[in-house]
Amino acid sequence: GENVEQHPSTLSVQEGDSAVIKCTYSDSASNYFPWYKQELGKRPQLIIDIRSNVGEKKDQRIAVTLNKTAKHFSLHITETQPEDSAVYFCAARWPGNQFYFGTGTSLTVIP
Amino acid sequence: DSGVTQTPKHLITATGQRVTLRCSPRSGDLSVYWYQQSLDQGLQFLIQYYNGEERAKGNILERFSAQQFPDLHSELNLSSLELGDSALYFCASSVGGLPYQETQYFGPGTRLLVL
Repeated sequence: GENVEQHPSTLSVQEGDSAVIKCTYSDSASNYFPWYKQELGKRPQLIIDIRSNVGEKKDQRIAVTLNKTAKHFSLHITETQPEDSAVYFCAARWPGNQFYFGTGTSLTVIP
Repeated sequence: DSGVTQTPKHLITATGQRVTLRCSPRSGDLSVYWYQQSLDQGLQFLIQYYNGEERAKGNILERFSAQQFPDLHSELNLSSLELGDSALYFCASSVGGLPYQETQYFGPGTRLLVL
């Protein structure tokens, strides 16, 4: 069935360290993978996305990698800052244009 | 501010009732998406409309329905409400549904509490 698994569910890192969040998806025909950051009580905000014809994309301290063979994609945040603390969601778009989300990772950056 | 507006911000109602949530997309966006976010289910995709037509359907219950009007605003109707329908309902919009047009911008959400 449709499924996006996300790990870990919680992550604590020291300020300045890197954070990595991983997601796997079940439909090999999925073609678009966005990542969202959601602060407490606020709306999800897109931070980076990647399409199935690209293996890696970087935007300043944030990068996403996609392994289509293994059906997984990862979010990498380098030089973490306290303001990076939030819940991060991955998502995958199925061929029928439905979106399926991971269960979220609560990231805490310790000053 | 994403440019997507949702009303009302909060809604308290009783089981068995019917409510309507409203969403206005960003200027120029043709696609509207509806999501449900609850503590135990995370973010669930409900339905997408593109330029007035249903484009994709997710885990939307039969008690729920939606539509997109000619001015592109959308409404999500929830009927025969149950306690488990209590959640945060988000609307998002994007320019279109084609590649490179699918970046979604979320509204502030409507918090629904069913008592």
